[in-house]
Amino acid sequence: DQQVKQNSPSLSVQEGRISILNCDYTNSMFDYFLWYKKYPAEGPTFLISISSIKDKNEDGRFTVFLNKSAKHLSLHIVPSQPGDSAVYFCAASDSNYQLIWGAGTKLIIKP
Amino acid sequence: DAGVIQSPRHEVTEMGQEVTLRCKPISGHDYLFWYRQTMMRGLELLIYFNNNVPIDDSGMPEDRFSAKMPNASFSTLKIQPSEPRDSAVYFCASTATVLNTEAFFGQGTRLTVV
Repeated sequence: DQQVKQNSPSLSVQEGRISILNCDYTNSMFDYFLWYKKYPAEGPTFLISISSIKDKNEDGRFTVFLNKSAKHLSLHIVPSQPGDSAVYFCAASDSNYQLIWGAGTKLIIKP
Repeated sequence: DAGVIQSPRHEVTEMGQEVTLRCKPISGHDYLFWYRQTMMRGLELLIYFNNNVPIDDSGMPEDRFSAKMPNASFSTLKIQPSEPRDSAVYFCASTATVLNTEAFFGQGTRLTVV
């Protein structure tokens, strides 16, 4: 049973437009959420995170929104740039501090 | 610091052979994690260590898998005997805090078992 789901395997967005990556979770005990970015042949790198006490966290072009009632979070990238093309993983953590990962969404930014 | 270093980058082996993956964490990081990435299951935590001691190995799929951390700067993940379904990319990550939230990952080892 997947506790963290990224239902879109891939997403294609025009350069300069907004990219919205979605993630759903089932465990209400999750209290910390993260997004990682992964380029081919490299390990994931941390991008942005949000605590369950917040509903929004912003860092430059990246904003993460958390809707606890819907058990849904999203990552917004605006404006999208060619270098944003990568696989994005959503992950969640509970009090056991272990990360549960989504399967990833491949983002393709078209010039 | 050069970051988390994994070796080899690629490994191709025959079914039944022993495979050893290696990891050097970032100096000063007390936590080390081994992950496996597959298309079907995404990133899965296999095992993690704190101060060289295995804390949770519930993610290790079978007894064929074993991991050790003999010192703070080295860890191994061993598969014996290997099977084709073990083919995946194996990542090692380290972090200084108990929250493996902003973990630093190695570049991974792509294992192919034929």
